[in-house]
Amino acid sequence: AQTVTQSQPEMSVQEAETVTLSCTYDTSENNYYLFWYKQPPSRQMILVIRQEAYKQQNATENRFSVNFQKAAKSFSLKISDSQLGDTAMYFCAFMRTLTNTGNQFYFGTGTSLTVIP
Amino acid sequence: AAGVIQSPRHLIKEKRETATLKCYPIPRHDTVYWYQQGPGQDPQFLISFYEKMQSDKGSIPDRFSAQQFSDYHSELNMSSLELGDSALYFCASSVSTIGTSGIDTQYFGPGTRLTVL
Repeated sequence: AQTVTQSQPEMSVQEAETVTLSCTYDTSENNYYLFWYKQPPSRQMILVIRQEAYKQQNATENRFSVNFQKAAKSFSLKISDSQLGDTAMYFCAFMRTLTNTGNQFYFGTGTSLTVIP
Repeated sequence: AAGVIQSPRHLIKEKRETATLKCYPIPRHDTVYWYQQGPGQDPQFLISFYEKMQSDKGSIPDRFSAQQFSDYHSELNMSSLELGDSALYFCASSVSTIGTSGIDTQYFGPGTRLTVL
């Protein structure tokens, strides 16, 4: 079975500083995908960044980047130059593709990030 | 760009009543997922459909059923509602990448907030 673990229930960061959110996962699969989703107070689920497991290069999207360590099964999210609008719950997610029948998607329990002015 | 549409956005029901939630995926998306998110919880996967066929089943109660129609919209039917069914229900859609090397990224709708009194 696949599991996704986010060990930091709450974090805070000063505006303009950098923060790293941790995520580890457990799988026996070799091909899979990893995601970070952001859920602000509006409760909308917003895709932040995604990573293919077969790619060694870490994904980057503007101020958001990941540190993907496949051997360690670690997928941390780094937010640079934190902004007040980054305040949200962040979910790490794992996806594997089932042959011909779709995908299985697993969420972590989330990390609540507060950006302090 | 078009997004996932869910209706209604808010729904209030009494115990033992029934409710139907609707999801309209992004155009050309062939896969729909349903999630239930209780207060302070991570999204729990309920069920998914690929090309109008059920592709995966999660923690969906027997009182719930769902289907995907020929136009790819999906409906989640909930009967004999209980207080514990009060939650935010998300629908997500994606374009299946089965047989390809692409990422089957899920895009979430705004959610339907169900309150059972």
